[in-house]
Amino acid sequence: AQSVTQLDSQVPVFEEAPVELRCNYSSSVSVYLFWYVQYPNQGLQLLLKYLSGSTLVKGINGFEAEFNKSQTSFHLRKPSVHISDTAEYFCAVRPHNTDKLIFGTGTRLQVFP
Amino acid sequence: NAGVTQTPKFQVLKTGQSMTLQCAQDMNHEYMSWYRQDPGMGLRLIHYSVGAGITDQGEVPNGYNVSRSTTEDFPLRLLSAAPSQTSVYFCASRFQGPQETQYFGPGTRLLVL
Repeated sequence: AQSVTQLDSQVPVFEEAPVELRCNYSSSVSVYLFWYVQYPNQGLQLLLKYLSGSTLVKGINGFEAEFNKSQTSFHLRKPSVHISDTAEYFCAVRPHNTDKLIFGTGTRLQVFP
Repeated sequence: NAGVTQTPKFQVLKTGQSMTLQCAQDMNHEYMSWYRQDPGMGLRLIHYSVGAGITDQGEVPNGYNVSRSTTEDFPLRLLSAAPSQTSVYFCASRFQGPQETQYFGPGTRLLVL
């Protein structure tokens, strides 16, 4: 069975500071990896995804993530956050042999002025 | 394209009542799914469909029914609402294939009294 762990339920940070949101996964088969963002009272939208190739993936709004196969991690980073980045962020995996998308429990990023 | 649409946005039910949450997409996606989002639990898959006439259970299917008579529509039925079904429900769709991006609707907020 597959699982996704987001260790930090909340991450407070000041505006213009860097941030890293951690994601680790467990799977017996290869997976595709995704980060989604959910702004208040909205649905989820894709930030970025890793399918293959370069392990550093760039997404929308200045976010990037790095796939580390040996550590089974897919941490999300942004060098300088804005107030508008305040949202909940979900890491998700989809095993290569299934249609199902498995989500972590989410990390709430709160950016303070 | 309207993308993935959901109705209603909000609903209050009494225990034992039944209702249908509507979901439609205009992107000709084969794969559609329903999730529920609860605090601290991320998104959990209720039911999914890989095409018209084909549905299957996800992680938490009890108390819910689905059908897929057309490519566009994927309604979720609560047979006899219970307070434990108080949640935010998201519908999602994508093209077939594990690499494909999943698109989410804006959600339906359900309160069962």
